Amino acid sequence: GENVEQHPSTLSVQEGDSAVIKCTYSDSASNYFPWYKQELGKRPQLIIDIRSNVGEKKDQRIAVTLNKTAKHFSLHITETQPEDSAVYFCAASRFVHSYNTDKLIFGTGTRLQVFP
Amino acid sequence: AAGVIQSPRHLIKEKRETATLKCYPIPRHDTVYWYQQGPGQDPQFLISFYEKMQSDKGSIPDRFSAQQFSDYHSELNMSSLELGDSALYFCASSLRRQGHNEQFFGPGTRLTVL
Repeated sequence: GENVEQHPSTLSVQEGDSAVIKCTYSDSASNYFPWYKQELGKRPQLIIDIRSNVGEKKDQRIAVTLNKTAKHFSLHITETQPEDSAVYFCAASRFVHSYNTDKLIFGTGTRLQVFP
Repeated sequence: AAGVIQSPRHLIKEKRETATLKCYPIPRHDTVYWYQQGPGQDPQFLISFYEKMQSDKGSIPDRFSAQQFSDYHSELNMSSLELGDSALYFCASSLRRQGHNEQFFGPGTRLTVL
């Protein structure tokens, strides 16, 4: 079935360093890949997303890359700050207008800790 | 800007009781999704509705049912509650008809089954 693997499960970095989280998806028909940040007990919040017709997208300190051939996508956070500490989830979905299956399949999450 | 509203925010029930969770999507959004997130787990898709019709079904137990009403709000009904149903339940909404994939999540309902 559909599956998204995410690594690492925990990541500790020093403030100012970069952090990289990697995901692999199984459904080759997936075409939308969002990343969510979730603080304890709060809702997942979208921080960046990428569609399958794009290889890379950047928004200030956050960037996402997609390799469709390898079915890999990664989140890159530069100049990390203590407030970046949270759990990050990658997700994949298949969106086709005539097909109503666009549920998000989430990775297992990465707990990022940024030490001052 | 208006966000997804969920009620109640917290709910405590006994085993074998029933619970109803409500979701009010962002105005003009046409699709509602329900996700269940256990402690330390990733969100798991339960069910979705597009224009008031069930559009997809995931790992939702037969004890659960859901519907979307004419005003687009949705309710998740849970019967014969079990200890394992204790989780955060998120509703999300999106604007599918315009090809917008982004799902906006509500604040969640924390269900505790004792």
